[in-house]
Amino acid sequence: KQEVTQIPAALSVPEGENLVLNCSFTDSAIYNLQWFRQDPGKGLTSLLLIQSSQREQTSGRLNASLDKSSGRSTLYIAASQPGDSATYLCAVRGGSNYKLTFGKGTLLTVNP
Amino acid sequence: GAVVSQHPSRVICKSGTSVKIECRSLDFQATTMFWYRQFPKQSLMLMATSNEGSKATYEQGVEKDKFLINHASLTLSTLTVTSAHPEDSSFYICSGRLDLTDTQYFGPGTRLTVL
Repeated sequence: KQEVTQIPAALSVPEGENLVLNCSFTDSAIYNLQWFRQDPGKGLTSLLLIQSSQREQTSGRLNASLDKSSGRSTLYIAASQPGDSATYLCAVRGGSNYKLTFGKGTLLTVNP
Repeated sequence: GAVVSQHPSRVICKSGTSVKIECRSLDFQATTMFWYRQFPKQSLMLMATSNEGSKATYEQGVEKDKFLINHASLTLSTLTVTSAHPEDSSFYICSGRLDLTDTQYFGPGTRLTVL
């Protein structure tokens, strides 16, 4: 059974700082990995999707990497802003089905 | 991008009543939709996979008679929580799968509170 772990559970940084969020998964046989953002009481916004054959994806100030063999992914946020404050969720899709397995998320607070 | 809506966004009901939540794909057809439940500070847990025109597939531990899922069209799936109890209070999120890109798009969620 796939398990996804995100570290840290919470992170508080001053505005402008670069930061890294970590995600690990137990079964490396994945189809893809996705990072989402969730604001309080809201649904999910997809940030980046990395296929199993890819090593990284970039979108603006966000960069996500994937090391499938070691079961790890990182989300790098450059020059953080207060508007980046949210919970960031990592999810992996299994190789044999469409199901997504989510981590518990990292609650990020960027202080002005 | 593809948009999924949910209705209602919030619902408060008395214990023992049934509540229906709608999930609609607004600008695409979703042959497959997914229903998740999220407890505070917890991850999203998949409850069931809903396929248009057929019975839903429930995850282990999810009572199919309590959580009724209907996917009658390519743009609408409904989740009915029957005889709701306070322990059913949670945040319910649906997603629709866009076949063309094999990507899931998530709805804004429904906050259910059972008194």
